[in-house]
This record gives sequence, structure tokens and C-alpha cells, in this order.
Amino acid sequence: AQSVTQPDIHITVSEGASLELRCNYSYGATPYLFWYVQSPGQGLQLLLKYFSGDTLVQGIKGFEAEFKRSQSSFNLRKPSVHWSDAAEYFCAVGVQGAQKLVFGQGTRLTINP
Amino acid sequence: AAGVIQSPRHLIKEKRETATLKCYPIPRHDTVYWYQQGPGQDPQFLISFYEKMQSDKGSIPDRFSAQQFSDYHSELNMSSLELGDSALYFCASSLEGVTDTQYFGPGTRLTVL
Repeated sequence: AQSVTQPDIHITVSEGASLELRCNYSYGATPYLFWYVQSPGQGLQLLLKYFSGDTLVQGIKGFEAEFKRSQSSFNLRKPSVHWSDAAEYFCAVGVQGAQKLVFGQGTRLTINP
Repeated sequence: AAGVIQSPRHLIKEKRETATLKCYPIPRHDTVYWYQQGPGQDPQFLISFYEKMQSDKGSIPDRFSAQQFSDYHSELNMSSLELGDSALYFCASSLEGVTDTQYFGPGTRLTVL
């Protein structure tokens, strides 16, 4: 069965520092991959997605992610974080032949001033 | 741009009561999904509808039912509510299932007392 693993439950970085959030997936075929962000008590906002083509995808708010098939990874990066980036980040995989998204456990990002 | 609308945003019920959650997808979106997010957990897929037909089913309790109407809005009906049903319930919509991006609504926070 397909699964998504986000190894880091909680990450703290200083404002202005670079960020990388890890995501690994388990799925037999080429997956559809997504990163969503959730602020406390809020809904899920799409940051970026990978369906096919260029393995480096750009998203909103200065985020980017790279699909690496050999490592089954889809890590999220940002060169310089802002205090407003503090939130919960979810990686998700879309399953072909089904209509659901399978989410990782989420990574909570805290920004130090 | 129009987003997914969910109502109500907050709902408080007693055990054994019933609840109905409503979802209005983005205009022209034909697929609706329901997810449940417990406290501190990742969203779990419940059920989806494509063109008013159930298209996929996840870990949805038998006490829950859902449908999609001719105007594509969807309702999630929950009966015999239990304390464990307290969660954030998200609706998402897309065009043509997982081959397109799922856009999430703000969620309905259900509290069962």
C-alpha cells in the first residue's frame, strides 16, 4: 500500500535561515506529489505539486521541491524563511486509479526570531 | 478566485446526535472529497464523489454517509455521534479526480460532548 513518511515531526529554524523538509513515499508507479501548508485551525493550502516533467518544481511563497525517483523523495526547500512560514507542512501522494490523497504525518515548523 | 465553501465552520453536538456537514466545490469542479483530521494527526480520506457517483471509499464508519447532488455540492451525514468523531472535517474539490489538484476548504470543526 502507498505511504508517505515525513521523518521530522518538528523543526525549528531561525528567521532568514534556509529550510528543507523531508518527504519519502512508497508507491509502485509514478506518483502525483503535493505539499500543503496548514496554519493553526486553518485549512490546507497547496504550496506546489509534481505530476511529471521537470523534477524541480516551484511553488508559492518562495518554496520549491525536488522529485528524486531513485530516493523516493520529494523534499521541500526554501532559501530564507520568514516568521509567517511557521505552520504545519504536509506531504501527500495521489494514487492512480483511486481518488484519494495519502498524507504524511506532517512537520511542524517553528521560526525563531 | 472562488474557493471551496464548507458549512458550518463549527459544530457542537452531544453523543448519539446527528450532524450534517455541507461542502460547495469550486465552480466547474466535478469531484468532491471528504477527509477527517483528528487532533495532531494527518488528514485521513473518508470518501469521494465524481459526477454524483461514489468514486472511492476510505476508512469511513458505517454511521457516516455522504452524497453529491446535481449542483455538485456534497453533504456528509454523521449519525450516532461518538466522542471520537470530534475532528476537523475537510472537503476538497478537483477536476477529474487525482489527475488534477485537490483544493481544500477551510474545514468544519466538529466537537462531540
